[in-house]
Amino acid sequence: KAGVTQTPRYLIKTRGQQVTLSCSPISGHRSVSWYQQTPGQGLQFLFEYFSETQRNKGNFPGRFSGRQFSNSRSEMNVSTLELGDSALYLCASQGQGLTEAFFGQGTRLTVV
Amino acid sequence: QRVTQPEKLLSVFKGAPVELKCNYSYSGSPELFWYVQYSRQRLQLLLRHISRESIKGFTADLNKGETSFHLKKPFAQEEDSAMYYCALCPQGGSEKLVFGKGTKLTVNP
Repeated sequence: KAGVTQTPRYLIKTRGQQVTLSCSPISGHRSVSWYQQTPGQGLQFLFEYFSETQRNKGNFPGRFSGRQFSNSRSEMNVSTLELGDSALYLCASQGQGLTEAFFGQGTRLTVV
Repeated sequence: QRVTQPEKLLSVFKGAPVELKCNYSYSGSPELFWYVQYSRQRLQLLLRHISRESIKGFTADLNKGETSFHLKKPFAQEEDSAMYYCALCPQGGSEKLVFGKGTKLTVNP
């Protein structure tokens, strides 16, 4: 069974631009969560989607948004990029009733 | 809901015992997990408290009185060097995981 797939793997953007990251969960998983990973802050929860609805949201500014499609694939968007947004963005999917999260390899975003 | 891993860095020698500390604050009965991230690999589940398993020689006991879930291994190996994250899933299965900031374990030869 294919794992969680994130695209692209690497991105370099300029301050002020916007970016969209994509995540395809494990087949059958309807919950998709996004995390920001940085050396200083570790893993910080961004938001979680279930059946196309945002179910949980972390403490990030409104520049960070996401959505989920009917096939459970999810996208995350960051607008007006700042240097501090440089991080590894991880996506995780979970099956219903299963609390184990399966992670993708992440998208490394560098803002210059 | 909070998970605290007090040690950012932990360095031990091969063959020595290792203990990675994790404390949590949550009013209910959460599920606790340890996730591991080896160099250039994806974050993956190491063990969960409800399984009561030993994985790669690691064990973790949930102490509800002390609200702790420390990860232990009696004899560390060099291949155990990695980032370790303790995580909590709130009761009720909202699917949201709360992670600690992680401990980087280095096992020296």
